[in-house]
Amino acid sequence: GAVVSQHPSWVICKSGTSVKIECRSLDFQATTMFWYRQFPKQSLMLMATSNEGSKATYEQGVEKDKFLINHASLTLSTLTVTSAHPEDSSFYICSVRGLAPEDEQFFGPGTRLTVL
Amino acid sequence: SQQGEEDPQALSIQEGENATMNCSYKTSINNLQWYRQNSGRGLVHLILIRSNEREKHSGRLRVTLDTSKKSSSLLITASRAADTASYFCATYYGNNRLAFGKGNQVVVIP
Repeated sequence: GAVVSQHPSWVICKSGTSVKIECRSLDFQATTMFWYRQFPKQSLMLMATSNEGSKATYEQGVEKDKFLINHASLTLSTLTVTSAHPEDSSFYICSVRGLAPEDEQFFGPGTRLTVL
Repeated sequence: SQQGEEDPQALSIQEGENATMNCSYKTSINNLQWYRQNSGRGLVHLILIRSNEREKHSGRLRVTLDTSKKSSSLLITASRAADTASYFCATYYGNNRLAFGKGNQVVVIP
């Protein structure tokens, strides 16, 4: 399967600052990338879907101006949490998929964000 | 809403025993997948079962699917300490987005 990396693996920031998380598909042309958020002891919740070169599609309740997603190439997507607040503290996981809608999805190792 | 649910369970079993967990979903599916997540880590794809399949095996894993009841089960046989993890089922919903159930926490005691 595809190898997906995320950077950083964990980050601590002060409230009000912005944090950028990178997701790289190392050996796979990721036509579609997904960003999930997972709170402790809960399931993954899809935040947004992005296709290379297009604007991301956000799930209901996810603020697009707060969670900026850029999918500039087939191997890189970034999620920027702007003006982070403590309630944004979570585990953020990216996922990649190929061209076919039901191709297998491959997941990154996740990024732990803690906002003080 | 994102679909895919299982009865939220926390299983604690002895090494060597079998672990069974269930999943229910809301709408029609083409396939259902099971994933494992070790604490604080990403997800590992375990097995995919298609809607026209009733049972599928992969190593010590056995998955069943009952589309009439919109439910699936995952059985891990002869569990090992390394099987300690959270297990999620996932299905696709509108625009082929993958949604996850609540997850089952399994602890295998050596």
